[in-house]
Amino acid sequence: AQKITQTQPGMFVQEKEAVTLDCTYDTSDPSYGLFWYKQPSSGEMIFLIYQGSYDQQNATEGRYSLNFQKARKSANLVISASQLGDSAMYFCAMREGPNTGNQFYFGTGTSLTVIP
Amino acid sequence: SAVISQKPSRDICQRGTSLTIQCQVDSQVTMMFWYRQQPGQSLTLIATANQGSEATYESGFVIDKFPISRPNLTFSTLTVSNMSPEDSSIYLCSVDSGENTGELFFGEGSRLTVL
Repeated sequence: AQKITQTQPGMFVQEKEAVTLDCTYDTSDPSYGLFWYKQPSSGEMIFLIYQGSYDQQNATEGRYSLNFQKARKSANLVISASQLGDSAMYFCAMREGPNTGNQFYFGTGTSLTVIP
Repeated sequence: SAVISQKPSRDICQRGTSLTIQCQVDSQVTMMFWYRQQPGQSLTLIATANQGSEATYESGFVIDKFPISRPNLTFSTLTVSNMSPEDSSIYLCSVDSGENTGELFFGEGSRLTVL
């Protein structure tokens, strides 16, 4: 089974609107971390936001928030007030276990296009 | 956060040749990770490079094809050997943030095109 599933290959959003990028995960480990990365066309991977499996509240970082629904094993990224510079690929990722050296699993990504 | 520099940022290579990608980190790190991202695909871990020991390769990747060096705690190289068009990818170097959250920081990536 896929560890990380992103079902939206491409998404469009109007500038200044909010958009939700879906991510579901699969793990039997009670301790895990969930991450979102942004990859512009230039290729670098930019870390956006982190959610720990034991965190009681949804993570937020500026215009990014993570809608964490543990029972449903989903970790959707919400981008508020979209900007043209948000156009990029977005990858959801998971690290199983408490150790920071454990392997990351990445989803297949969602291509977001912000329309002026 | 760590600053990671990769060279080259992009290159066009001929079939059968080899290319070495360099990764320099501005701080000492225990583990460095090399990922491959084929066109339109997600990231796949090639190997984990520890200083002073052989790299640990993931299933489907072998040392003869992707030799890795890790001479010190701030530097690593990945060589893509005997390249074919299937090796056309973005190759990314990454390190653990060292924070409790454990996010990875990535270099800018090296975009290789093999003709």
